[in-house]
Amino acid sequence: EDQVTQSPEALRLQEGESSSLNCSYTVSGLRGLFWYRQDPGKGPEFLFTLYSAGEEKEKERLKATLTKKESFLHITAPKPEDSATYLCAVVQSNYQLIWGAGTKLIIKP
Amino acid sequence: EAGVTQFPSHSVIEKGQTVTLRCDPISGHDNLYWYRRVMGKEIKFLLHFVKESKQDESGMPNNRFLAERTGGTYSTLKVQPAELEDSGVYFCASSGGGIGSYEQYFGPGTRLTVT
Repeated sequence: EDQVTQSPEALRLQEGESSSLNCSYTVSGLRGLFWYRQDPGKGPEFLFTLYSAGEEKEKERLKATLTKKESFLHITAPKPEDSATYLCAVVQSNYQLIWGAGTKLIIKP
Repeated sequence: EAGVTQFPSHSVIEKGQTVTLRCDPISGHDNLYWYRRVMGKEIKFLLHFVKESKQDESGMPNNRFLAERTGGTYSTLKVQPAELEDSGVYFCASSGGGIGSYEQYFGPGTRLTVT
């Protein structure tokens, strides 16, 4: 069965303390992988799409990488405004998205 | 450019009642998706429209749910009759380009509470 697992469920960091979030997947016919950010009471906000193993994308303090089994979202020197839930979703061969449960990131000043 | 909008933002209804959720996608986006997130669980796909046609409705939980997209613009999702397990946040997303274009833009969601 196709599945997406995110870890950790929650992560508390001090401002400036770099870390990584993990998204591991077992999906047949992977067409791509999304990273989204979600703030409380809002819909997911698109961050990155990765299509093939070895691909990397960066945006400000965030960098997403992809292997054949997992993706990492690296956060460098985070700020309190980076606090949010980060969601990973994979695109199946039928274009459906399978979502992970998310990682709740809290950055303390 | 206006983003995806959803109405209402919150709905509280009693079991057995009917509720209709509305989604207005980004103008020009042919692809429209409905998702649901039940408390404590991950987001689940419900269905996908391409223009006015249902491309994939395999995620619809049962025949109490009816989605329409007349004229290929806004979409409605009706739940009739509502059950307690229908409670959750219903998200709509849209994307441009061809079928299944990947960058989906989400609305703020409708929080449905069935009591």
